[in-house]
Amino acid sequence: AQKITQTQPGMFVQEKEAVTLDCTYDTSDPSYGLFWYKQPSSGEMIFLIYQGSYDQQNATEGRYSLNFQKARKSANLVISASQLGDSAMYFCAMRGSYHQGGKLIFGQGTELSVKP
Amino acid sequence: GAGVSQSPRYKVAKRGQDVALRCDPISGHVSLFWYQQALGQGPEFLTYFQNEAQLDKSGLPSDRFFAERPEGSVSTLKIQRTQQEDSAVYLCASTYTRLPRSGELFFGEGSRLTVL
Repeated sequence: AQKITQTQPGMFVQEKEAVTLDCTYDTSDPSYGLFWYKQPSSGEMIFLIYQGSYDQQNATEGRYSLNFQKARKSANLVISASQLGDSAMYFCAMRGSYHQGGKLIFGQGTELSVKP
Repeated sequence: GAGVSQSPRYKVAKRGQDVALRCDPISGHVSLFWYQQALGQGPEFLTYFQNEAQLDKSGLPSDRFFAERPEGSVSTLKIQRTQQEDSAVYLCASTYTRLPRSGELFFGEGSRLTVL
């Protein structure tokens, strides 16, 4: 069975500092995808970044980067130069292989608070 | 609009009532997903459609939950004889591919159901 674990219920970071949100996963599928989503108080899930299990390089999208360590089964999100607008819930998610039909399995989330 | 639209945004039901939640995906999106998100938790998969075919309903918690997408576009999630444990935000998501690889899911803002 696939599982995503986020062990940090809440995190604080000073504005303009970098922060790392932890995510570990478990799967027996050789092919999978890892996603990070942001959920502000409005409730909408906003896609941030994607990493494929066969991708050679760590994914980056602007201020977001994914520290993918396949042997450790971790996919931590790094946010550089934090902004007040980054305060939100952050969810790590995994998509399995073809027979899974594309559904995402989500972690419990980490609430990030950016302090001015 | 250009995004996934869900209605109603808020629904209060008395225990035992039936409710129907609607999702308008982005035009042309083939895949549609329903998720249930309890307070303080990550989204939990309910069901998945590819066009009008319901390919996976393994996440539906009981036979009181029913989803349909008769014409391959708009989808309705119906909950019969609501119980207090059904209180949650119901998220709908869509994507343009049959098997989202790097293509992310586009989420609506959710329908918040409160059962009294």
